[in-house]
Amino acid sequence: QSALTQPASVSGSPGQSITISCTGTSSDVGGYNYVSWYQQHPGKAPKLMIYDVTKRPSGVSTRFYGSKSGNTASLTISGLQAEDEADYYCSSYTSSSTYVFGTGAKVTVL
Amino acid sequence: QVQLQESGPGLVKPSETLSLTCSVSDYSISSGYYWGWIRQPPGMGPEWIGNIYHGGSTYYSPSLKSRVAISVDTSKNQFSLKLSSVTAADTAVYYCAREMTPGSFDYWGQGALVTVSS
Repeated sequence: QSALTQPASVSGSPGQSITISCTGTSSDVGGYNYVSWYQQHPGKAPKLMIYDVTKRPSGVSTRFYGSKSGNTASLTISGLQAEDEADYYCSSYTSSSTYVFGTGAKVTVL
Repeated sequence: QVQLQESGPGLVKPSETLSLTCSVSDYSISSGYYWGWIRQPPGMGPEWIGNIYHGGSTYYSPSLKSRVAISVDTSKNQFSLKLSSVTAADTAVYYCAREMTPGSFDYWGQGALVTVSS
């Protein structure tokens, strides 16, 4: 099972919006509405930010928005803040009843 | 607030078996959900290892399936991971987590660094 493809880095200035892509195949991202996004700060456990493609867990800012088109899912962060600087990983359910994570994207707030 | 805590040896010798336990607080495993193990090698992204339901049904990563066993002890509100024939490539931070919907892990342990070295 190959990892989902994400850009290595994404950057933006405070207040701007950025989008992180997550590309898979029809056997994972494109085939199911079970894409999740995680935020991870150094030395910390990942934090669930988006699940089931578009849903936000309780307590997660509305500045985080998830979407999907075909085999590519996206996470958009609007009103970028310094605290958003972290690594972001997507994950997806697969046709083998397993899960695969993305390669990860480092978000830098300029 | 559901809490998870990993425990086990931080150092394992090559070819031996890695064993970790996840203790769950403020939620009964018997009430539902799948419970999973995820690992993250230093400087790399997470890798899903497998999961278990309170009834005992399990799913494993195809790449680890021949070496992995996940079990549950509902009387202790714990679930465990065993990974056999370890090599240096198995060195990672190992996390346990609750699976809210397929592939979405909403509560995580703090992580346990396991180093494979002689």
